Amino acid sequence: SQQGEEDPQALSIQEGENATMNCSYKTSINNLQWYRQNSGRGLVHLILIRSNEREKHSGRLRVTLDTSKKSSSLLITASRAADTASYFCATDGSATQGGSEKLVFGKGTKLTVNP
Amino acid sequence: DTEVTQTPKHLVMGMTNKKSLKCEQHMGHRAMYWYKQKAKKPPELMFVYSYEKLSINESVPSRFSPECPNSSLLNLHLHALQPEDSALYLCASSLQSWGGRQPQHFGDGTRLSIL
Repeated sequence: SQQGEEDPQALSIQEGENATMNCSYKTSINNLQWYRQNSGRGLVHLILIRSNEREKHSGRLRVTLDTSKKSSSLLITASRAADTASYFCATDGSATQGGSEKLVFGKGTKLTVNP
Repeated sequence: DTEVTQTPKHLVMGMTNKKSLKCEQHMGHRAMYWYKQKAKKPPELMFVYSYEKLSINESVPSRFSPECPNSSLLNLHLHALQPEDSALYLCASSLQSWGGRQPQHFGDGTRLSIL
């Protein structure tokens, strides 16, 4: 069953602008990950944030996690045309529920950055 | 370039054919995964191998048969597929199992078309 739901489904911005994508999930988690997928390619891991973390940075990426709201956001600052891709959040199960070897992906946000 | 190599990149087969997809990684990862991804959809987990043993089968039809000959190789044997099986098949690996706790490394996939 699908766990994460990204919002918006599609986002179009100009180069240099910031892009924010949101992910909501339904059950408690141990970890939440964000991935990028360029058209016709495999997924590339961006950031993993654990349930006891609230914010994480990697270069131009900033991920926040609010477990009370069961939501996460991915912020890409100073976007570039090369950031054009689909972005997916993925969640696992909570240890209290037996944990999970599985990652369940959300529907994704298709980001277009116009030059 | 990805560190997980999948072959072939494209495969067209008839419904009566038998073919195999191959996945290889040399990162010393002990967990390997098969995902199926339809167009404009997120990846859906099919199988998980942990230390060369099948640990998760997501109720995949028996016309898909996974095999893990050693810690670096993962195969997916295909037989009597249906047109609805046309999709991008992605292989991934992670250092250990419990896929949500570690980043997964994806190959670029095999695009499969069933005639």
